[in-house]
Amino acid sequence: DIQMTQSPSSLSASVGDRVTITCRASQDISNYLAWFQQKPGKAPKYLIYAASSLQSGVPSKFRGSGSGTDFNLTISSLQSEDFATYYCQQYKSYPLTFGGGTRVEIK
Amino acid sequence: QVQLVESGGGVVQPGRSLRLSCAASGFTFSSYGMHWVRQAPGKGLEWVAVIWYDGSYKYYADSVKGRFTISRDNSKDTLNLQMDSLRAEDTAVYYCARGGMVIAAIPDFWGQGTLVTVSS
Repeated sequence: DIQMTQSPSSLSASVGDRVTITCRASQDISNYLAWFQQKPGKAPKYLIYAASSLQSGVPSKFRGSGSGTDFNLTISSLQSEDFATYYCQQYKSYPLTFGGGTRVEIK
Repeated sequence: QVQLVESGGGVVQPGRSLRLSCAASGFTFSSYGMHWVRQAPGKGLEWVAVIWYDGSYKYYADSVKGRFTISRDNSKDTLNLQMDSLRAEDTAVYYCARGGMVIAAIPDFWGQGTLVTVSS
């Protein structure tokens, strides 16, 4: 199975900051990577596919990058609605696997 | 609009069974693969199972293989998860999610979840 490791597990940032979250795969997954956002008590929301392509309706402040084993999610100009937990997910092969999540908190 | 509504959660003793259902509406259910994903209290997301749009293929997480069975009824727009031999570590919110039309392996729309608690 492919293991996905996210870092950091949590971070504190201020409104207006830019933050970067890292996701590492245990083997080459090419660009078969998605990103999700989850707010407390809510279902996850799909943000990015193919490592860097925005899902319809997702603002361009979210930017995904990377390929192979190392990936990043960068969020520009943080707003209050962006404070949430973010997960990466590989879909190179079954079983699908998620990273452990990165909680973005208000400083 | 797309809706996925899970039901069937509750408190169950270890070793017993529970069946979850997910009622789909707002899209052509029979054209989409469907997933179950779970989240233990205070923990991250764990993918559980997927079923192809026509039920022809099914895949499971190692942690549930041989105990859980995913199924669907396209005539009723319903997804099911039969959970047998339940363990304390199966305690979680279980989400039903639709696979994408282009990338079926990405759950692109999620229900609100149903809580399963395995406890004596």
